Amino acid sequence: DGGITQSPKYLFRKEGQNVTLSCEQNLNHDAMYWYRQDPGQGLRLIYYSQIVNDFQKGDIAEGYSVSREKKESFPLTVTSAQKNPTAFYLCASSIPGTAQGYTFGSGTRLTVV
Amino acid sequence: QQQVKQSPQSLIVQKGGISIINCAYENTAFDYFPWYQQFPGKGPALLIAIRPDVSEKKEGRFTISFNKSAKQFSLHIMDSQPGDSATYFCAASPGGSNYKLTFGKGTLLTVNP
Repeated sequence: DGGITQSPKYLFRKEGQNVTLSCEQNLNHDAMYWYRQDPGQGLRLIYYSQIVNDFQKGDIAEGYSVSREKKESFPLTVTSAQKNPTAFYLCASSIPGTAQGYTFGSGTRLTVV
Repeated sequence: QQQVKQSPQSLIVQKGGISIINCAYENTAFDYFPWYQQFPGKGPALLIAIRPDVSEKKEGRFTISFNKSAKQFSLHIMDSQPGDSATYFCAASPGGSNYKLTFGKGTLLTVNP
């Protein structure tokens, strides 16, 4: 079964800690994305990557970091600099050169405790 | 700047009724307009999409109407069912090498039995 796997499903972070959210895909997609979802805010783009070893900031990149060392993997680190990290995080991938075939994972719900 | 404006925020429809969700965009470079359906705790899934060279696209009970001159597009769900209760997002993407999706803020649809 081809798809995107996000883990963990639920994550709790203490104040001042960095946490890393995992995103793995076996769709052979070159492009991958991280979105943040808050109630009433829709989906906001954090970072995206069109190819291995390259990534760009989205609209709300402050307090986040990513890496893209492998085509299949695009982990997101929520750093202590992110002042309001409690949210639902969604990873997606797509065929390069088109927004068609955008596939989302099931998300990770991050809560600051 | 919100590039895709979606309304209403929430919608309650009786079973068998028609659900209508509207979106408006500003960027004339957008050339791909998908709608996504999201159930609680899940990632969004592509429902139906349209390109500006057609004014309407129908797939089963779901129809997209597109008005290029008004820069508006809408989702119509005919014969709405309780199983359609979900959050719906419109989105848009420009052509060329920039294929990131910009999302509306979402509409929570509740279909009462």
